[in-house]
Order: sequence, then structure tokens, then C-alpha cells
Amino acid sequence: AQTVTQSQPEMSVQEAETVTLSCTYDTSESDYYLFWYKQPPSRQMILVIRQEAYKQQNATENRFSVNFQKAAKSFSLKISDSQLGDAAMYFCASFPFGNEKLTFGTGTRLTIIP
Amino acid sequence: DSGVTQTPKHLITATGQRVTLRCSPRSGDLSVYWYQQSLDQGLQFLIQYYNGEERAKGNILERFSAQQFPDLHSELNLSSLELGDSALYFCASSGNGYTATNEKLFFGSGTQLSVL
Repeated sequence: AQTVTQSQPEMSVQEAETVTLSCTYDTSESDYYLFWYKQPPSRQMILVIRQEAYKQQNATENRFSVNFQKAAKSFSLKISDSQLGDAAMYFCASFPFGNEKLTFGTGTRLTIIP
Repeated sequence: DSGVTQTPKHLITATGQRVTLRCSPRSGDLSVYWYQQSLDQGLQFLIQYYNGEERAKGNILERFSAQQFPDLHSELNLSSLELGDSALYFCASSGNGYTATNEKLFFGSGTQLSVL
């Protein structure tokens, strides 16, 4: 069974500052993907960033980067230079090879303070 | 715009009724996934179809069923609706249905179902 845990229900950050959202996961599979999805008030689920577990290098997408610690099963998201448009619910998810099922955490609501 | 189209955006119905939610995947995507998002259960995987065949099943109730048609669009049928079925239902699509090097899931904007 897969589990994904996001221990921070809510976070806030000053505009232009950096914030890190935490995520831990548990899977018995050796190969898997990890994702961060963003859900703004429009409710659209938007892919932010993806990490392949077999890659040691941390994924980056512009202002978004991850800190992937495979041994610790930790996958945090760092948002640099926070912008008002970053305000949303952020979901961490795991997707093991061969399982074809994306398992989500409970989400972290991020507020950007102007 | 993710390229995944879901209709209708909103649906209001009564208990005991049956509804059909529709999803058109991104052009070229063979795999369709259905997810339910509710306040108490969070985001739950329901079912996956790949090129017309059921590939994986999650926490889908027996009152719910789905299918994927030859043109690859999918429908999720919810019957004998209960108040607790009120939720946001997402469809997502991906390329070949197998976890591949560049596999990503793209979500539609969801159908908000309200059962009164």
C-alpha cells in the first residue's frame, strides 16, 4: 500500500520570500514517480513538478525545486521568490511503476502575504 | 489548459438518481483516470482505463461504473446517488497507460456534483 503524508495543513509566506512544503511517502515499489500538483481556487489540478525516483538529481522548474531524499522517503517542494499567483492548495503524490495509481497527500494550503 | 475536457462543470441532482460524467482525454492519450475529491476523503483514485480496457481499480463503489469508448473518451456513471457522493470528480489522461520515462498525468477541470 502507498501512503503520502503532508504534515502541514497550512503555510504562509511573504511575497518574494522562499517557502518549503514537506511531504513524506511510503511505497514498497523500487521505482516510482513523485509529483507536486497545485490546485488554485479555480480547482484545476496543475502539475508543478515531477521527480523520477531513479534519478538522484533534484528536479527543478523555474522557481520550483524539490529536495528528494530517497532513503528518508522525503520529497519537499521549495518555492522561491513567491508570487501572489502561487497561492493554492499543494498536493504531493506518488505513482509507483506498474501500479498505475496516483496516491495523493491531504494537501497544504499556501497563502502568500503581500 | 491541460487539454482534458470534462462535462458538465456542475451537476445538481437528487438522492437516488443516476448521472453520467464525461471526459475527453488529451489528443493522443490512451489512458484515462477518474478521481474523486471530497472534503472528508481527499483525492481518491477511482478507476483507470487504457485504450478501452479497464487497467486498475481503486476505491470505486459498486454503484459507480465507467467505460472508455473507441474514440477514447470516457464516461463515469454514478447511480443510486447518496448525499455523500457530493464531490468534485476529476478525469486525468496520460500517454500510453504504462509508467514511461516521461509519464505525466494531466487533469481536467472537474465536474462538481451536488446531491441534494
